[in-house]
Amino acid sequence: GQNIDQPTEMTATEGAIVQINCTYQTSGFNGLFWYQQHAGEAPTFLSYNVLDGLEEKGRFSSFLSRSKGYSYLLLKELQMKDSASYLCAVRGTGQNFVFGPGTRLSVLP
Amino acid sequence: GAGVSQSPRYKVTKRGQDVALRCDPISGHVSLYWYRQALGQGPEFLTYFNYEAQQDKSGLPNDRFSAERPEGSISTLTIQRTEQRDSAMYRCASSSEVADEAFFGQGTRLTVV
Repeated sequence: GQNIDQPTEMTATEGAIVQINCTYQTSGFNGLFWYQQHAGEAPTFLSYNVLDGLEEKGRFSSFLSRSKGYSYLLLKELQMKDSASYLCAVRGTGQNFVFGPGTRLSVLP
Repeated sequence: GAGVSQSPRYKVTKRGQDVALRCDPISGHVSLYWYRQALGQGPEFLTYFNYEAQQDKSGLPNDRFSAERPEGSISTLTIQRTEQRDSAMYRCASSSEVADEAFFGQGTRLTVV
């Protein structure tokens, strides 16, 4: 079976740094993806890790440890527009994407 | 097309009716995925295609749900004899052979009354 876990909600202050964790147990592994979803909108792609380590893309970074079944998304210099749900997804051997429940991030002024 | 297009955007149907939801993927994208998303939850996998072949339909809830992609492009998700519990946002996504991420459409909000 496949299981992906994320915290349900997080709150942070504008300008701060926040780390959103994701743990997973899946049959096979072909990459871990992070998506951002604003309320009422479609998920949009943020980052992709297939090898261990850190991938940096502007204010957003994502880390992967395959041996631990663990990833995190790091958001720096938080802005109000970063208030959204953040979805962790794993692509298994079947090539489909399995999504976690999402973490709703609220950025406060 | 420029992005993944889904139609209709909103569908209200009476319990017991059949509905067909359409997805037009990004031009040239090989893989097409269907998801169902409840409010405040992550997308729940339903089924996916590579070209016209349905690769995995293990997420379809029961035999009232079916999907096809006859020419390897546009796909239709059909729900027969709809029930109130089928009310949800249905999302389609597509991905190419050379890129890894999937791109989502705006979804179809289905309400069964």
